[in-house]
Amino acid sequence: DTAVSQTPKYLVTQMGNDKSIKCEQNLGHDTMYWYKQDSKKFLKIMFSYNNKELIINETVPNRFSPKSPDKAHLNLHINSLELGDSAVYFCASSQKMAGSHNEQFFGPGTRLTVL
Amino acid sequence: LAKTTQPISMDSYEGQEVNITCSHNNIATNDYITWYQQFPSQGPRFIIQGYKTKVTNEVASLFIPADRKSSTLSLPRVSLSDTAVYYCLVGGGNYGGSQGNLIFGKGTKLSVKP
Repeated sequence: DTAVSQTPKYLVTQMGNDKSIKCEQNLGHDTMYWYKQDSKKFLKIMFSYNNKELIINETVPNRFSPKSPDKAHLNLHINSLELGDSAVYFCASSQKMAGSHNEQFFGPGTRLTVL
Repeated sequence: LAKTTQPISMDSYEGQEVNITCSHNNIATNDYITWYQQFPSQGPRFIIQGYKTKVTNEVASLFIPADRKSSTLSLPRVSLSDTAVYYCLVGGGNYGGSQGNLIFGKGTKLSVKP
């Protein structure tokens, strides 16, 4: 039973397109995150939602819009894709905001390639 | 912001103890230190977390000096399967959405050789 799942696993698309990545967690956690990992393996947080409320919004272009329909889902929509958006995107969840005894559980990642 | 610094890579041999140090000079009072392990094509996986002094679990130990400006992940008797990237994460102590609340280090690529 997968704890944090993401779809799709691979996404290849053209510049200028709009795409979405879906994330679901079945752990009953309150907090979900989106991370971007670039080719140099730097792992950088993009967004965090706690109980469907946006908590962290790093300096991310407004082409990226997270949407949390319920506590178990945090989807990432990207408009007007650019070459620099190519990366692996990880979804994660934790029981509360990451801190004491609140480890994050990561999904398998979505490799986005923009051509 | 609690920026972190780790060695880019480390080499070791099976059976040795490996210590990976992370520097976080600007750690905030309420921040915790967490280490994650990442294998290729997988998401990071939690290893250990601490606030101060020493924490030990079945996988690793975490040493944090009194000033908390650094931390050391210790992996006892590594095996080939411990070859991975290890990330130090500082944050989580300031709930409420300040930017950079959760900052991963750039990761240390550990290579374990037979």
